[in-house]
Amino acid sequence: SQKIEQNSEALNIQEGKTATLTCNYTNYSPAYLQWYRQDPGRGPVFLLLIRENEKEKRKERLKVTFDTTLKQSLFHITASQPADSATYLCALERTDSWGKLQFGAGTQVVVTP
Amino acid sequence: GAGVSQSPSNKVTEKGKDVELRCDPISGHTALYWYRQRLGQGLEFLIYFQGNSAPDKSGLPSDRFSAERTGESVSTLTIQRTQQEDSAVYLCASSLGPLGGTDTQYFGPGTRLTVL
Repeated sequence: SQKIEQNSEALNIQEGKTATLTCNYTNYSPAYLQWYRQDPGRGPVFLLLIRENEKEKRKERLKVTFDTTLKQSLFHITASQPADSATYLCALERTDSWGKLQFGAGTQVVVTP
Repeated sequence: GAGVSQSPSNKVTEKGKDVELRCDPISGHTALYWYRQRLGQGLEFLIYFQGNSAPDKSGLPSDRFSAERTGESVSTLTIQRTQQEDSAVYLCASSLGPLGGTDTQYFGPGTRLTVL
């Protein structure tokens, strides 16, 4: 069965360091992979999208990589700030299932000053 | 408002009662989605509406769950004869739809449902 795995343990990191999160998937051939941020009591907020034929995408302090051979995406937050503390979710979408995002359970990031 | 809104924000009900959850999508968004998020878990797809097409109901967990959408606006998710395992946050999202290219979804704040 299709499976999306994100590290369930919270990532505690010091302000200014780079946070790296992983998203692994099995039995899946996604066309797109997205990353969302979720704060407590709120809905997820879209951050970045990367296509299967793209290796890397950047947006300000965020960087996403996508390795379809390893079936893995890495999400980096550089120069992390306490305001980056949140849960980060990866979501996959297949071209034959447009609109049906499958989400991982998310990884909580805690940035301490 | 500019974003997706949902009501109520919190709903406490007794087992066996029916509940209705409402979603107002972003104006102009043709696609609308419902997800369920249990505590500490990822989002679980429930149903997807696209324009006037028949909805994709493949994620609905049982026939106690149903949803309707009026045109390209408001949607209502109904859960009949609620069970304790229905307790979760129900999230609604909308997007431009296929004509918008990739599916960036904009989420509402969710409705927290507690079934006693």
